[in-house]
Amino acid sequence: GQQLNQSPQSMFIQEGEDVSMNCTSSSIFNTWLWYKQDPGEGPVLLIALYKAGELTSNGRLTAQFGITRKDSFLNISASIPSDVGIYFCAGPLIGSGANSKLTFGKGITLSVRP
Amino acid sequence: NAGVMQNPRHLVRRRGQEARLRCSPMKGHSHVYWYRQLPEEGLKFMVYLQKENIIDESGMPKERFSAEFPKEGPSILRIQQVVRGDSAAYFCASSPGGGQPYFGPGTRLLVL
Repeated sequence: GQQLNQSPQSMFIQEGEDVSMNCTSSSIFNTWLWYKQDPGEGPVLLIALYKAGELTSNGRLTAQFGITRKDSFLNISASIPSDVGIYFCAGPLIGSGANSKLTFGKGITLSVRP
Repeated sequence: NAGVMQNPRHLVRRRGQEARLRCSPMKGHSHVYWYRQLPEEGLKFMVYLQKENIIDESGMPKERFSAEFPKEGPSILRIQQVVRGDSAAYFCASSPGGGQPYFGPGTRLLVL
C-alpha cells in the first residue's frame, strides 16, 4: 500500500537552531501536505505543495516537493519553544479522486530546548 | 467562524458498551471525513461522507463501526460493543468540496 516514511521518530534541538525533516514514499504523490499537531489537539495544516519541484514558505517554515514526486522536506528556521509538537507529512491516496482522503506518515516529534 | 467541532473531547467506555462521537463541520462544508489515530501513529482514513451519503468507507472496520451524516445535525461515528483495541483518538475533518480538510480537536476514546 501507499506509505509515507518519516524518520527519525523524535528530534531534539536547541532554541534558535534550524531543523529539517524529510518524508519519503515509494509511491508518487500529486500533493504533499505538512501538518503540525499539538498535544491534545487535531492536526493543523502548515504548508501545501502541488507541483513537483515547488518550494513554498510560510513564515519560518519552508517546504519543497521533490522533483520525483516521491519525497518532500520541511525546514524550520530559528526554532522557538512553541515549535514543539508532532509534524506529519500527508498526501491524498492515489486514485481516490479527492484531495481530502489522506495517508499520513507516522510523524516526527520535535522537542526544543530553551 | 467556528472551526470543526467534536464532542465529547474525552470519552470513557467499558468493554461492550457503545460509543457515539459527534462532529459538526465548519460552516459551509458539506464533506466530512473521519480518521483514527493510534498512539505514536499517524492518522488513518476511515470514512468519507457527504450529506445523507457515504461516499467511501474503505477504511472502516467491517464490524461494529458505522457512520452517518444526516441532512440535519452533526455527523456521528458509532462504535458498538467497544473493545480495548478501539481506544484511540478519533478525528473528524471537513472540507467545502474536494479540497484540503480542516481537522477538529478530536475525541479521545478510552475503553476500560
